[in-house]
Amino acid sequence: ELKVEQNPLFLSMQEGKNYTIYCNYSTTSDRLYWYRQDPGKSLESLFVLLSNGAVKQEGRLMASLDTKARLSTLHITAAVHDLSATYFCASTSGTYKYIFGTGTRLKVLA
Amino acid sequence: ETGVTQTPRHLVMGMTNKKSLKCEQHLGHNAMYWYKQSAKKPLELMFVYSLEERVENNSVPSRFSPECPNSSHLFLHLHTLQPEDSALYLCASSQEPEPNYGYTFGSGTRLTVV
Repeated sequence: ELKVEQNPLFLSMQEGKNYTIYCNYSTTSDRLYWYRQDPGKSLESLFVLLSNGAVKQEGRLMASLDTKARLSTLHITAAVHDLSATYFCASTSGTYKYIFGTGTRLKVLA
Repeated sequence: ETGVTQTPRHLVMGMTNKKSLKCEQHLGHNAMYWYKQSAKKPLELMFVYSLEERVENNSVPSRFSPECPNSSHLFLHLHTLQPEDSALYLCASSQEPEPNYGYTFGSGTRLTVV
């Protein structure tokens, strides 16, 4: 059974600092998704990583995928307050079977 | 506008009530999903429909009854719920089997059972 774990669960960081969120998954998968959720809102798709070594960047966020290590990272560069949200990764063990991590609640302090 | 519309946004119901949640997608996707999001828990997949056929039912209690009349609409019928069913219910859609864009989520229905 596919399991997806994220760490840390909570992250409080100063503006301007860098940090990385980690997403480990337990079975072979070549797809990994990152989502953002603001409080009381729905999930917004950030990145879709479809192959080993895939790297995608959008603004201050960069996501990568290592399928051999079963690890994806979401790197935050020079954090700003607007990045405060909960970030979820999700992997899949087959068609329709998306499993989400527990989420990382990020708070960027001014 | 996300392309996936859920109604109502908020719902308060008693344990003896019957209500329905509605989801509509305008993206031409062939799969639709119901997820439950409770505080301090991962997103829980409840049901999956592909081209109006249920393909996944993750041991969800029978007090939750899904319905997919066509590929654009998905309902979740609720009856005799329990307080622990209070949660955010999210609908999503995707294009399978090769979803290059992942899910598109609706804005969710915040359900409170009293």
